[in-house]
Amino acid sequence: DQQVKQNSPSLSVQEGRISILNCDYTNSMFDYFLWYKKYPAEGPTFLISISSIKDKNEDGRFTVFLNKSAKHLSLHIVPSQPGDSAVYFCAARFYNQGGKLIFGQGTELSVKP
Amino acid sequence: NAGVTQTPKFQVLKTGQSMTLQCAQDMNHEYMSWYRQDPGMGLRLIHYSVGAGITDQGEVPNGYNVSRSTTEDFPLRLLSAAPSQTSVYFCASGTWTGWADTQYFGPGTRLTVL
Repeated sequence: DQQVKQNSPSLSVQEGRISILNCDYTNSMFDYFLWYKKYPAEGPTFLISISSIKDKNEDGRFTVFLNKSAKHLSLHIVPSQPGDSAVYFCAARFYNQGGKLIFGQGTELSVKP
Repeated sequence: NAGVTQTPKFQVLKTGQSMTLQCAQDMNHEYMSWYRQDPGMGLRLIHYSVGAGITDQGEVPNGYNVSRSTTEDFPLRLLSAAPSQTSVYFCASGTWTGWADTQYFGPGTRLTVL
């Protein structure tokens, strides 16, 4: 049973436009959410995170929104750049259990010049 | 500061062989974890540790053993390799700063079991 779901395997966006990546979760015991970016043949790299007590966190071009009632989070990238092309994973942490992350399946973002 | 290192980068095993994937971190992180990545499945947690001497199972622990005798090292042992364990394995380490939980990943080990 997939507790963290990314239902869009791929997304294609024009350079300069907004990219919106979505993630849904089912377990109410998750208290912290993270987004990772992954290039081929490399390990995932941390992008941005949000605590369950917040509904928005911003870092430069990246903003994560959390809707707890809908158990939904989204990552917005504005403006999108060709270098953003990668696979993006959302992950959720169980309440107070550091090191125990549950990942979604990933969304492959392609930003076209 | 090397971050999270994993060895080997590539490995081919025959069914039934055993091996250990090595993971080390030099950031004095308390958390360490092992994940496997398979096509269409994302990253799945195998085992994790919240400190030296403490380990626990993740989502897919069967066929794997771990131990954590030091803060720096967290090896993953395959006792009797099976073709279903063909995957890319990632080790991660992390810490809770009081307001943020950050985990850093190693470059991965690509394992093929014939």
